[in-house]
Amino acid sequence: GAGVSQSPSNKVTEKGKDVELRCDPISGHTALYWYRQSLGQGLEFLIYFQGNSAPDKSGLPSDRFSAERTGGSVSTLTIQRTQQEDSAVYLCASSSRQGGYEQYFGPGTRLTVT
Amino acid sequence: AQSVTQLGSHVSVSEGALVLLRCNYSSSVPPYLFWYVQYPNQGLQLLLKYTTGATLVKGINGFEAEFKKSETSFHLTKPSAHMSDAAEYFCAVTRGSNTDKLIFGTGTRLQVFP
Repeated sequence: GAGVSQSPSNKVTEKGKDVELRCDPISGHTALYWYRQSLGQGLEFLIYFQGNSAPDKSGLPSDRFSAERTGGSVSTLTIQRTQQEDSAVYLCASSSRQGGYEQYFGPGTRLTVT
Repeated sequence: AQSVTQLGSHVSVSEGALVLLRCNYSSSVPPYLFWYVQYPNQGLQLLLKYTTGATLVKGINGFEAEFKKSETSFHLTKPSAHMSDAAEYFCAVTRGSNTDKLIFGTGTRLQVFP
């Protein structure tokens, strides 16, 4: 596709359940980022991938959060045992040297934990 | 450490009036600075960025920003507001590395009245 895509666009889950959020970056983009946007905390960095490795995981809020990237493309953010404070919009971005390292953002996944 | 302060969570202007959105940064190293716009239920779109070189940066949709090191500011301006400019605007900073994570301000919601 032409841009970054994320799925699902909306996810409602019960407290305690696990969820998986998916990000498809722009083809050829080697760098991939996850951010979280919430009313209380604003826009926060979660994790950065370069290829399949994650040199910066400093923003993951707890060990319930994990992410992986396979084949240098698709990434999955997993939240285990969801809590109400996990409710937020999760944004994915990708970038490349050819694109001047501009981070292109997807539309986000709105997660609601009930 | 890097941080960004956006003065004014809400700004209202009349159509045709000057738009001024304020951003001050803190950085221990020469920063890269960005302005992003977010329309309702959409991801973030880059308006403009400063990396090195000319301190007056022009972006899309008629916006521009000036990097003032002495004032640690990167204010966003547009000479004449359009109704379509109504959105949320985020200032962001990185450490001056092409693949560094974005550190965002808390955002300014711009309203444009006819």
